[in-house]
Amino acid sequence: DGGITQSPKYLFRKEGQNVTLSCEQNLNHDAMYWYRQDPGQGLRLIYYSQIVNDFQKGDIAEGYSVSREKKESFPLTVTSAQKNPTAFYLCASSRTRTGAESPLHFGNGTRLTVT
Amino acid sequence: SQQGEEDPQALSIQEGENATMNCSYKTSINNLQWYRQNSGRGLVHLILIRSNEREKHSGRLRVTLDTSKKSSSLLITASRAADTASYFCATESGGYNKLIFGAGTRLAVHP
Repeated sequence: DGGITQSPKYLFRKEGQNVTLSCEQNLNHDAMYWYRQDPGQGLRLIYYSQIVNDFQKGDIAEGYSVSREKKESFPLTVTSAQKNPTAFYLCASSRTRTGAESPLHFGNGTRLTVT
Repeated sequence: SQQGEEDPQALSIQEGENATMNCSYKTSINNLQWYRQNSGRGLVHLILIRSNEREKHSGRLRVTLDTSKKSSSLLITASRAADTASYFCATESGGYNKLIFGAGTRLAVHP
């Protein structure tokens, strides 16, 4: 079955450590996205990529970094510069480069806890 | 600031009843999308309605869009316990290639 795989499901880190969240898709989608979700809130866009080797900052990119070396993969690194990294992280992809013209397909998320 | 805001924040109904959720947004849009999220899971796309459409149906779901009022509603008819989830509306943001999500409506359907 085609879909988006995020791993791990739960991740625990000590403050001051960088951590990388994995996102892989086999839908052959051009565009990929990272969102952050805090309790009782909507999703906020961290980074998005419309094509391999290209990505743009979203609304809350500070303290995060991404790469898009392959069409299938869009890993997110949460750096020690991110002041409040504990959250639920969701990766998504869309068939077209304009996300607003086609639905997003989401992975099942990674819950990151930093202590 | 968020583009879409859902109302109510939480809704509790009995199985068989209808559930209506509303979404208001601030700027003009090309389309609006509704998503569903079960607890601890990713979002699932439900319906996309374009700005030149007024109503769209998918099974027990009915979505309306009123661009003059900058609002949309999602109606779930004959609700089931399995419909228990959070529902989000999402709009594009000023022509950028990204969706802006509201805070969602938490729907609880009791057997």
